[in-house]
Amino acid sequence: AQSVSQHNHHVILSEAASLELGCNYSYGGTVNLFWYVQYPGQHLQLLLKYFSGDPLVKGIKGFEAEFIKSKFSFNLRKPSVQWSDTAEYFCAVSRGSTLGRLYFGRGTQLTVWP
Amino acid sequence: DAGVTQSPTHLIKTRGQQVTLRCSPKSGHDTVSWYQQALGQGPQFIFQYYEEEERQRGNFPDRFSGHQFPNYSSELNVNALLLGDSALYLCASSLDRRDNSPLHFGNGTRLTVT
Repeated sequence: AQSVSQHNHHVILSEAASLELGCNYSYGGTVNLFWYVQYPGQHLQLLLKYFSGDPLVKGIKGFEAEFIKSKFSFNLRKPSVQWSDTAEYFCAVSRGSTLGRLYFGRGTQLTVWP
Repeated sequence: DAGVTQSPTHLIKTRGQQVTLRCSPKSGHDTVSWYQQALGQGPQFIFQYYEEEERQRGNFPDRFSGHQFPNYSSELNVNALLLGDSALYLCASSLDRRDNSPLHFGNGTRLTVT
């Protein structure tokens, strides 16, 4: 069965620390990869996406992610986090060349202390 | 502004009752997907509607049904509610399931079944 694993359920960092959130998926075919963020009280918002091409993708607010096909991974990174990055982060995968069903990880709660 | 609007925002129902949740997609979008997000979990795909037809369905029982109207808005109906149906129900819209258009999510409807 298709699954998406996010390794860290809760990450606590101080401002200016570097961030890396892990994401692995189990599907072996063509995939589209996403990171969504949910700020407190707000809707899910797209941070970045990978469909094809350069495996290093840049998103909004200084986030980036690297697709490593051989490791079935799509880890999210940010060199220096801010208090405003406190939110829940979800990795998601869709299969094939069309956008249909999204498979989500269970999410990682990031808390950044000022 | 999410662009995708859902109503109501909160709902409390009793076991065995039926509920209808509503969603208006982002302007210009024609595809609507519904997700269930239980506490502490990532969103789980329920089904997707395109051109007023259910195109894909996740692992949810027939108690979960939906509808899409000619104006692309959608309803999610759940019959014979169980305590386990308590969750945040998310609606997401996109332009066309065939063109890799990312999903835009609404704020969700929080359903509590007592």
